[in-house]
Amino acid sequence: DQQVKQNSPSLSVQEGRISILNCDYTNSMFDYFLWYKKYPAEGPTFLISISSIKDKNEDGRFTVFLNKSAKHLSLHIVPSQPGDSAVYFCAASARGGGSNYKLTFGKGTLLTVNP
Amino acid sequence: DVKVTQSSRYLVKRTGEKVFLECVQDMDHENMFWYRQDPGLGLRLIYFSYDVKMKEKGDIPEGYSVSREKKERFSLILESASTNQTSMYLCASSLSGALTDTQYFGPGTRLTVL
Repeated sequence: DQQVKQNSPSLSVQEGRISILNCDYTNSMFDYFLWYKKYPAEGPTFLISISSIKDKNEDGRFTVFLNKSAKHLSLHIVPSQPGDSAVYFCAASARGGGSNYKLTFGKGTLLTVNP
Repeated sequence: DVKVTQSSRYLVKRTGEKVFLECVQDMDHENMFWYRQDPGLGLRLIYFSYDVKMKEKGDIPEGYSVSREKKERFSLILESASTNQTSMYLCASSLSGALTDTQYFGPGTRLTVL
């Protein structure tokens, strides 16, 4: 059963406009949420995160919003740039072994920003 | 900067072969992870380790084993490779197992099993 869902496999936007990537989760035990970006032939890199006690976190052009009651988060990129074209993974953190936490990833959304 | 390296970028093996994928991190991180990435399935956790000689099963451990004899090195072993193990394998590490720890990923190994 998929606990972290990214229902849009792809998204295409024009340069300069806003990109909104969505993510839903089912496990209420998730405490922390992250977005990773992945270019082809490279490993994912951390982009931005948010704690479950917050509803918004902003870092430059990137903002993540969390709606805990709806179990929904979104990543906003404003303004979008061609270099933002990549696969974006939503991830959620919960306890794995002992006191250690592990991440559960969504399937990813391919963002294409057109010049 | 954290550096996570993987021994091979591309690997081609035959069905039934024993395959070793090696991962090394240079930042004295406690935790290390192995994922596989498949189209339409995202990243799925195979195994992770939070200390030397310690390991925990992830979501899809079947057909895999791991070894962590030194803190900086985490190996993924396919005892008898099968075609359904053709995938992109990603190693990651994090400072500790804390809630807010960031995982740093290597560049990945694309394994093809014929």
